[in-house]
Amino acid sequence: AQSVTQPDIHITVSEGASLELRCNYSYGATPYLFWYVQSPGQGLQLLLKYFSGDTLVQGIKGFEAEFKRSQSSFNLRKPSVHWSDAAEYFCAVGIMNYGGATNKLIFGTGTLLAVQP
Amino acid sequence: GAVVSQHPSRVICKSGTSVKIECRSLDFQATTMFWYRQFPKQSLMLMATSNEGSKATYEQGVEKDKFLINHASLTLSTLTVTSAHPEDSSFYICSGARDLNQPQHFGDGTRLSIL
Repeated sequence: AQSVTQPDIHITVSEGASLELRCNYSYGATPYLFWYVQSPGQGLQLLLKYFSGDTLVQGIKGFEAEFKRSQSSFNLRKPSVHWSDAAEYFCAVGIMNYGGATNKLIFGTGTLLAVQP
Repeated sequence: GAVVSQHPSRVICKSGTSVKIECRSLDFQATTMFWYRQFPKQSLMLMATSNEGSKATYEQGVEKDKFLINHASLTLSTLTVTSAHPEDSSFYICSGARDLNQPQHFGDGTRLSIL
């Protein structure tokens, strides 16, 4: 069965420090992978996505993620965290339907990021 | 681009009433829209997928008679929670996608509280 695991429920980093949020997936085919960010009481904003090609993907707000097939991982990174990055981050895998296109997202449980001054 | 507007943002109502939530794609045509439910401190659970002009596809365990979904146009989908009860209280989020190959874009969610 398809699943997404985010091992870290809560992470605290200091402003200016580097960040890595972990994501592992279980999926039988080539996955479509996404990272979304959610601020309190709001919907989700797409940070970046991986469909194919270069395994290092650049996103908005200075985030990047690297797809590692051998490790079934798609970890999110940022070299220097800003206080405004405090939010909840969700990793998701897109499920292929019969026609070869994604139509569902399976989300991880999320990682809540706190940023210390 | 790719803005999805969800309305209302918050609703409080009495048990037994029906509540309608609207999801609009403002600057693109969403051939597919999705409805999710999110419990406190948990992830999003897909409730149903709807394609414009056809019946919604519900996930296992989601009552289609309880959660009525209409996707009558390429820019509007509605979720109606019929005869709502306190256990239906939750955060409901919709998303839209231009087509099945495009990422989903999410609304800001609706906080539903049933008294």
